[in-house]
Amino acid sequence: EDQVTQSPEALRLQEGESSSLNCSYTVSGLRGLFWYRQDPGKGPEFLFTLYSAGEEKEKERLKATLTKKESFLHITAPKPEDSATYLCAVRRNSNSGYALNFGKGTSLLVTP
Amino acid sequence: SAVISQKPSRDICQRGTSLTIQCQVDSQVTMMFWYRQQPGQSLTLIATANQGSEATYESGFVIDKFPISRPNLTFSTLTVSNMSPEDSSIYLCSVGGRTGGYEQYFGPGTRLTVT
Repeated sequence: EDQVTQSPEALRLQEGESSSLNCSYTVSGLRGLFWYRQDPGKGPEFLFTLYSAGEEKEKERLKATLTKKESFLHITAPKPEDSATYLCAVRRNSNSGYALNFGKGTSLLVTP
Repeated sequence: SAVISQKPSRDICQRGTSLTIQCQVDSQVTMMFWYRQQPGQSLTLIATANQGSEATYESGFVIDKFPISRPNLTFSTLTVSNMSPEDSSIYLCSVGGRTGGYEQYFGPGTRLTVT
């Protein structure tokens, strides 16, 4: 079964202190890896899709990278507004072609 | 991205009753999905809502418990039937297939508490 494990479960950073979140996966043929941001009381917000090892995507202070076994979400010089839960998901084999398996997420807190 | 709304945003229900959650999208979409997000657990797919045909349920979820309707390409409902406290969760709808990629866009969620 396709599985997704995220680490750490929680991360506290000072403003400006760069770090990385990890998403490791076990799938039989990666069909896409997705990163989402979720604020309290809201639905997940789509950030990135990665399809092949070596691929990188960037958006503001976030950069997502992908290897054959894991993905990293690098946060450079974070600000308090980057505080959120970050979710990783992999697309798995399904009738619709769209089904996703999610990790439990990393809760990020950035303090001033 | 699509503008997705859900009603209600939250509800408190008694054991044994049913609640229907609505999901409205601002434009036609091919794929609509329903997820459950329980505290401390991963976001879990309940079913794919198929327009004009029966929903496709994931392992562990059955139609009698979670009947789904999808009368058109912008609207779907999920009913949580004969509720128990274990059904307390956030329920989210999502859409896919809008951009040619496989990413999904989520609604704001419905927070359900069963007493």
